[in-house]
Amino acid sequence: KQEVTQIPAALSVPEGENLVLNCSFTDSAIYNLQWFRQDPGKGLTSLLLIQSSQREQTSGRLNASLDKSSGRSTLYIAASQPGDSATYLCAVTLARASGGSYIPTFGRGTSLIVHP
Amino acid sequence: DVKVTQSSRYLVKRTGEKVFLECVQDMDHENMFWYRQDPGLGLRLIYFSYDVKMKEKGDIPEGYSVSREKKERFSLILESASTNQTSMYLCASTPWGTHYEQYFGPGTRLTVT
Repeated sequence: KQEVTQIPAALSVPEGENLVLNCSFTDSAIYNLQWFRQDPGKGLTSLLLIQSSQREQTSGRLNASLDKSSGRSTLYIAASQPGDSATYLCAVTLARASGGSYIPTFGRGTSLIVHP
Repeated sequence: DVKVTQSSRYLVKRTGEKVFLECVQDMDHENMFWYRQDPGLGLRLIYFSYDVKMKEKGDIPEGYSVSREKKERFSLILESASTNQTSMYLCASTPWGTHYEQYFGPGTRLTVT
């Protein structure tokens, strides 16, 4: 069974720092990997989706990389801002269907606080 | 933009009541999912559906049922609500195809007293 681990569980940084969030997974036969942001009491907002054949994706100050062979993905946030404070989750979808769908496995998330 | 909506943001029900949580997506997605999210436990899959009238159990289906009569709507039913079903409930949808990207609704915070 796929296991997804996110380290660290919590992170507090001053504004302006560049930071890296980590996601590791045990089964490398993945279909894709998706990074989400979740604000307190809200749903998940998709940030980046990396297909199995891709090495990285970028959106603004965010860059996500994927290394299937080592079972790792990183989310890089450049020049962090207080508005980046949220929980960041990664979800890994295996390349084999369960029932009639591909089912993602979620990590527990990294809770990020960026203080002014 | 894909939009996934959930019928209520907050809901308070009494033990033993039958509870309906509705989820609607507007992008013709084939796959729909219901999760619950609890502190320290992360997201757990309750049920999913890959087509109209098709449903599959997830990791924690006990105490829940689902209905998908139309492609855009996926309902989660708590047959007899209990206090241990107090949680945040999240609905998601995904299209088939190369991008298979999950889109989430805003969530329903359910409290059972």
